[in-house]
Amino acid sequence: GEDVEQSLFLSVREGDSSVINCTYTDSSSTYLYWYKQEPGAGLQLLTYIFSNMDMKQDQRLTVLLNKKDKHLSLRIADTQTGDSAIYFCADGGATNKLIFGTGTLLAVQP
Amino acid sequence: DADVTQTPRNRITKTGKRIMLECSQTKGHDRMYWYRQDPGLGLRLIYYSFDVKDINKGEISDGYSVSRQAQAKFSLSLESAIPNQTALYFCATSDPGQGYEQYFGPGTRLTVT
Repeated sequence: GEDVEQSLFLSVREGDSSVINCTYTDSSSTYLYWYKQEPGAGLQLLTYIFSNMDMKQDQRLTVLLNKKDKHLSLRIADTQTGDSAIYFCADGGATNKLIFGTGTLLAVQP
Repeated sequence: DADVTQTPRNRITKTGKRIMLECSQTKGHDRMYWYRQDPGLGLRLIYYSFDVKDINKGEISDGYSVSRQAQAKFSLSLESAIPNQTALYFCATSDPGQGYEQYFGPGTRLTVT
């Protein structure tokens, strides 16, 4: 079956940039997503990118998509302590049944 | 008020009991989903429904059943709960508009003893 992989943990200092990486296997993906989960909460959609785009910027967030390598990244500029959370990459596939990665725990050190 | 609500938020039950988790949405979306979240495994799709008459199995449907009572309601049942169904369960909705964004409920933490 299709798979989405992420590293499990990332630690950065407040004010630095964070880059969270994701790889996926589905070549028929139409949309790819980044979700954020804060402790004790559900998932919140941060941003998404259409598969024919290379980059999408939304305030402090930049998504880069390398479709050839099936690699997606999320860059958070000027990372704040409030950005500490688990970040999930999700592959929408051809029918938009989301396949989630395992999540990356972002720890922001003051 | 939240757009996607789940009840109960927390539940402890015993092995062999039947339990139902409920999801309601006010977003007017046709598509609804049930996921479970386990540490280190991300979210996995249990069942999904693209409209009231459409029910589909997801990646891990064994041991679960669902009912789509109305556009706004989608229930998940565990007919005979077992300990490895202990997990965090999320309901989500989406509309096939731009981005097919999925909107998640707050989750139900289920413990089976």
